Amino acid sequence: ELKVEQNPLFLSMQEGKNYTIYCNYSTTSDRLYWYRQDPGKSLESLFVLLSNGAVKQEGRLMASLDTKARLSTLHITAAVHDLSATYFCAVDTKTHPPAISNFGNEKLTFGTGTRLTIIP
Amino acid sequence: DSGVTQTPKHLITATGQRVTLRCSPRSGDLSVYWYQQSLDQGLQFLIQYYNGEERAKGNILERFSAQQFPDLHSELNLSSLELGDSALYFCASSADPGSYNEQFFGPGTRLTVL
Repeated sequence: ELKVEQNPLFLSMQEGKNYTIYCNYSTTSDRLYWYRQDPGKSLESLFVLLSNGAVKQEGRLMASLDTKARLSTLHITAAVHDLSATYFCAVDTKTHPPAISNFGNEKLTFGTGTRLTIIP
Repeated sequence: DSGVTQTPKHLITATGQRVTLRCSPRSGDLSVYWYQQSLDQGLQFLIQYYNGEERAKGNILERFSAQQFPDLHSELNLSSLELGDSALYFCASSADPGSYNEQFFGPGTRLTVL
C-alpha cells in the first residue's frame, strides 16, 4: 500500500525566514502534486510535478521532485503571513487492473499535511 | 473558484439517516472523484467515475455509494449514517484524456451526524 509522509506536521516560522516541507512516498510514481488548504476551505492546486528533476516556482514557493529518492520538497522563501495554511502533497498512482484506456483510473494518495503558521 | 460546484455546503442529520451529496464537475471534465476529510483519517480517496463508469475505488464503506449521470454530475449517497461519518466531503474533477491528473476540488460539503 502506498504511503505518503510529510514532515514536519506542524511548522511555525517567523516572517522573512526560509523553510522546507518534505514529502516522501513509498512507491514508484513520477507525478506529484502540491495543494494548499485554508481552514475550512477547499484544496487549491499549487504545483504539478510530472518528471524526475521537475522544479516549479510561484512567488515565494518552489517545489521540486526527485523520483529516484521518492522525495518532493516545497521550499518557502522569505515567508509572509499570507502563506499560513495547510499544505498537502499527493502522489498519483494508477489503480490495478488498468481500465480500458490509460486514462481515467488514476487516484491521488495524499500526505498527512503540514500546518504552516507564519508569525509576524 | 475551481469551477467545481458542490451542494449542499452544510448538512446536519441524525444517526441512521441517509443523505445525498451532489457535485458538478468543471465544464469538459469527464472524471469525478470523491474524497473524505476527517481529523483522524486525513484526506481519503473514496471513489472515481469516468464518463459515467466507476473506475477506481478507495476506502469507501459499503454503506456509501456513488454514481455519475449522463450530464456528468455525480452524487454520493451515504446511508445508515454513524457519528464517525461526520467529515468534509470533497468532490474533484479532472480532464481526460490527458498526460497527468491534476484534480480541481470543489468547496466541499460539511456533514455533521448527531
